[in-house]
Amino acid sequence: EDQVTQSPEALRLQEGESSSLNCSYTVSGLRGLFWYRQDPGKGPEFLFTLYSAGEEKEKERLKATLTKKESFLHITAPKPEDSATYLCAVQAYYSTLTFGKGTMLLVSP
Amino acid sequence: NAGVMQNPRHLVRRRGQEARLRCSPMKGHSHVYWYRQLPEEGLKFMVYLQKENIIDESGMPKERFSAEFPKEGPSILRIQQVVRGDSAAYFCASSLGPGQGPYEQYFGPGTRLTVT
Repeated sequence: EDQVTQSPEALRLQEGESSSLNCSYTVSGLRGLFWYRQDPGKGPEFLFTLYSAGEEKEKERLKATLTKKESFLHITAPKPEDSATYLCAVQAYYSTLTFGKGTMLLVSP
Repeated sequence: NAGVMQNPRHLVRRRGQEARLRCSPMKGHSHVYWYRQLPEEGLKFMVYLQKENIIDESGMPKERFSAEFPKEGPSILRIQQVVRGDSAAYFCASSLGPGQGPYEQYFGPGTRLTVT
């Protein structure tokens, strides 16, 4: 059974204080690992897809990396508008998405 | 707006009534997925459909829940005889089909179902 564990459950940062969110996974044949952002009362917003170990993707202050066992979402110099819950999901071949419970990020000014 | 659309956004039903949730996929997408999100829990897969066909319903409760994606019109998730435990946020997502391009799923805003 595919499993995704995200840590920490919650993270509080000061504006400009860089940090990383972790996503550990077990999957039988990784087709893709996905990062989403979810604001309260809204649907998840797609951020990145990572396909193979060693791959990296960047978008503004966010950078996602992938190894064979985990993925990191690095947040550089965050701003208050980066506050949200960040979700990680994996997809095996011929399967659907399995989500972690998310990391709730709060960035204070 | 070419994004995934869901309606209604909020739905209140009394125990024993039926709930119908609708989802129109993103323009150009032919595959639809339904997820349920309970407080303090992650998104849980329910069912995966393409037009007129259920691909995977392994996450769907065996009783009271059904889903369809007809040739014309939106995908519908139907919950019969709702109980309080059905109260949750239900999200629909859509994607391109296999071989059509990137297969990431794009989510709608969700329907928040409250059973009283």
